[in-house]
This record gives sequence, structure tokens and C-alpha cells, in this order.
Amino acid sequence: GNSVTQMEGPVTLSEEAFLTINCTYTATGYPSLFWYVQYPGEGLQLLLKATKADDKGSNKGFEATYRKETTSFHLEKGSVQVSDSAVYFCALTLIQGAQKLVFGQGTRLTINP
Amino acid sequence: NAGVMQNPRHLVRRRGQEARLRCSPMKGHSHVYWYRQLPEEGLKFMVYLQKENIIDESGMPKERFSAEFPKEGPSILRIQQVVRGDSAAYFCASSPTTGVIPGELFFGEGSRLTVL
Repeated sequence: GNSVTQMEGPVTLSEEAFLTINCTYTATGYPSLFWYVQYPGEGLQLLLKATKADDKGSNKGFEATYRKETTSFHLEKGSVQVSDSAVYFCALTLIQGAQKLVFGQGTRLTINP
Repeated sequence: NAGVMQNPRHLVRRRGQEARLRCSPMKGHSHVYWYRQLPEEGLKFMVYLQKENIIDESGMPKERFSAEFPKEGPSILRIQQVVRGDSAAYFCASSPTTGVIPGELFFGEGSRLTVL
């Protein structure tokens, strides 16, 4: 079946530290990959996406590269801020034109000043 | 532009009672999705609805769960005769009628159901 596995949390870092949140996937086809973020008290929102191998998604200083050979889509940021504290979800979809997402379990990130 | 609105945010029910969760999509959105997040797990797809139609309910439990999205009013996720295992966060999401970006959903803050 299709599944997403994320790095277990919670993750706690100091401001300006380098962030990596690992995400690997299993898919029967050729998925599109996403990172969603949920800030405290808000709904999930799309952070970035990649639709084919070697694509790099980026937004707000975050990046993730679609690696087909390792079935991975790790999230990175060079220098985190306190405002990046949130829960991060990796997800995939196989159905173009539909919105049936398969999510990882989420990784809670806390950034200390 | 108001986001996806879910209510109630928190709901407590005793075993055997009914739970009703409501979702109003973003303005201009006619597609609604319900996801469930059990403790320590990721969000799992339950059902996809358009106005007055269930498009995909492959993630819905076969019994006690139902969903609707009437012509007027919010989408409703209904759970009859709740059991402790139904305790979870239920997220609603919507997407626009046109100009859909694959994988881009707009989520509400979720409704947290606790069954005593």
C-alpha cells in the first residue's frame, strides 16, 4: 500500500540551528509529495510540494527535494526561527486531480530563543 | 476571506451517544474532505464530498459513520453510538471548484472528539 513515514518527534532546536525532518514514502505508483505545516491554533496549510523526481519544493526558507532513488522527501531549513514552531506533516498523493492525501504522523518542532 | 470553519472545536460524548461535526468550506469552494487523526498517527482520509454528492467514501468505517454536504449549509460528519475508539481529531478540508492545485487542500482547525 501507500504510506509515509516521518522522523519521530518532538524535535527541539535553538534559534538559527539547521533543521532536517526526515520523510520517506512507499507508493505503488509515482506520487506527488507535500509538506504541510500546522501552527498552534490553526489548520494545516500547504508549505511546499514537488511533483516529479529531482524537483525541489521551497517556501519560507524551507526546502525539500524529491528523491526517487531513496524514496525520500526530507524537509530542511538553514536557520530556524521561533516562529517556525509547529507540527510538520509529510504527505503524498497518487491521484492527479483528486485530493486524497496520505499523511505521515507529523513531527512537532519547537524552537527555543 | 474566512477559512474553513469547523465546529465544535471540542466535543465530549459518552459511549452510545451521537456526535455531529460541522464544516463550512472556504468561500468559493465546493469540495469538502474529512480526515481523522487518531492519537500518535497521521491524518487518514475518510470521505470526499461535493454538494449533495458523496464522491469517495473509501475511508469511512462501514458502520455508524455518515457524511453529507447538502445544497445549503455546512457539511456534517455524523457518528452514531460512539465508542472510545472514535476519540480523535477530525479535520475538514476544502478545495476550489475550479483551478484546483493537486494536493493543495485548505484545512480547518479540527474538531476534537473525546468519548468517555
